[in-house]
Amino acid sequence: SQQGEEDPQALSIQEGENATMNCSYKTSINNLQWYRQNSGRGLVHLILIRSNEREKHSGRLRVTLDTSKKSSSLLITASRAADTASYFCATAVDRGSTLGRLYFGRGTQLTVWP
Amino acid sequence: GAGVSQSPSNKVTEKGKDVELRCDPISGHTALYWYRQSLGQGLEFLIYFQGNSAPDKSGLPSDRFSAERTGGSVSTLTIQRTQQEDSAVYLCASSLAPRDNYEAFFGQGTRLTVV
Repeated sequence: SQQGEEDPQALSIQEGENATMNCSYKTSINNLQWYRQNSGRGLVHLILIRSNEREKHSGRLRVTLDTSKKSSSLLITASRAADTASYFCATAVDRGSTLGRLYFGRGTQLTVWP
Repeated sequence: GAGVSQSPSNKVTEKGKDVELRCDPISGHTALYWYRQSLGQGLEFLIYFQGNSAPDKSGLPSDRFSAERTGGSVSTLTIQRTQQEDSAVYLCASSLAPRDNYEAFFGQGTRLTVV
């Protein structure tokens, strides 16, 4: 079964507010990645955080990783209407026959109102 | 090429027919993934190729589904005797060695509709 689960399933905010999405997973990972999807087609990679990292920044994005709780969060600061999309976390397992395989959650649908 | 290319973009087929979906990964990428996404749902893992290793086929939903990757490059996902529940967007992605923490690059997907 897929091991990444995002929370909440849907998030609706006003422009300028911050958006926080969470991801939980089940097994040991090599890294955790966040992706964005517009219009139900291809996903675009946003940020990757390694298992030995706790926090990472990229522009308006901030990702944290807590391996003891098997959870991650994605924070988008000063959101814009153009940030409206589905956001997915993906975990890369670190061992065994599934080394490198990416598991995706169901995603969080973010809507940013102008 | 500049990115992952999938063809066709859209495919409408009659129930019971076979379909082939193609994925051209980024040159040099050793890992290739196939996922399926139904409307409003997450990504369902189908199959994963990594270099010369045996593919991880554990996500294929039935024996009607098969995939191959020729010469470590182009991949074809074949669905035999299609059913209406096979209707979905099929996404392909490729990556450099995943164990070295590289991200996956996705194609735009093939929207399959079985009527």
